[in-house]
Amino acid sequence: DSGVTQTPKHLITATGQRVTLRCSPRSGDLSVYWYQQSLDQGLQFLIQYYNGEERAKGNILERFSAQQFPDLHSELNLSSLELGDSALYFCASSSTFGRNAEAFFGQGTRLTVV
Amino acid sequence: GQNIDQPTEMTATEGAIVQINCTYQTSGFNGLFWYQQHAGEAPTFLSYNVLDGLEEKGRFSSFLSRSKGYSYLLLKELQMKDSASYLCSVLGGNTPLVFGKGTRLSVIA
Repeated sequence: DSGVTQTPKHLITATGQRVTLRCSPRSGDLSVYWYQQSLDQGLQFLIQYYNGEERAKGNILERFSAQQFPDLHSELNLSSLELGDSALYFCASSSTFGRNAEAFFGQGTRLTVV
Repeated sequence: GQNIDQPTEMTATEGAIVQINCTYQTSGFNGLFWYQQHAGEAPTFLSYNVLDGLEEKGRFSSFLSRSKGYSYLLLKELQMKDSASYLCSVLGGNTPLVFGKGTRLSVIA
C-alpha cells in the first residue's frame, strides 16, 4: 500500500458527461501529480500541484481541470467526455518538489467512456 | 522540454540477466527514477540515481551517466514475476516527473 488513495476505482460513463476523480496523497506529501495512461501507452503527465498551487502543466486538454484543496487532496475534473478519454488515471504524491522526489502512486481510476 | 527513450519490448530467459537502457534529454537534472509496472496496476518505485555510477539494490541495479544522458536498469536472476513494464523517468531542473513510454519485459522459461 503506497498510502495514496484514489476513488473511485472504476467509472463507466457516457460520452458528453462530466466526472470527478479524487486523490488523497500520502500523509505529509505536498506535491500531487496526475497522469493518464491509455491502453498500452506510457504515463502521460497531465498536471502537478504543490501545496495547493499549480506547479506544472503537461498536455492536459482544456476539457480537463484539476485543483488541490487546503487539506491537500486533489480532484481531476473531466468534462464533455469522449470515447478517447477512456484510460487509467493515476495520481501520485511526493514529499518534495525537486531532488529525491520519489513519487508514490495510487491504484488508479479506470475510466470507461461508452 | 524533456525527451526519454527506451526500447519498447524485450524478452529474456528465467535465471538470466537483462539490461534495459534509457537515454534522455532534459533541461537541468534532479534525478532519474526507475519504476516497475505490472499490467493494470500502479507503478512502483525501484531505484533513484542522481550521481554518476551504479546503485545496487538486491537483484536490481541502476546506472547513470549524466554526461551521456544515459541510464540502464540491470535485472539479475530473472524470475517470471519480473515480467512487467519498466519505466524510466527524469526529474528536470524545474519540470515535473515525466516518464518514458516504458519497456515491456517478458520473462520466458
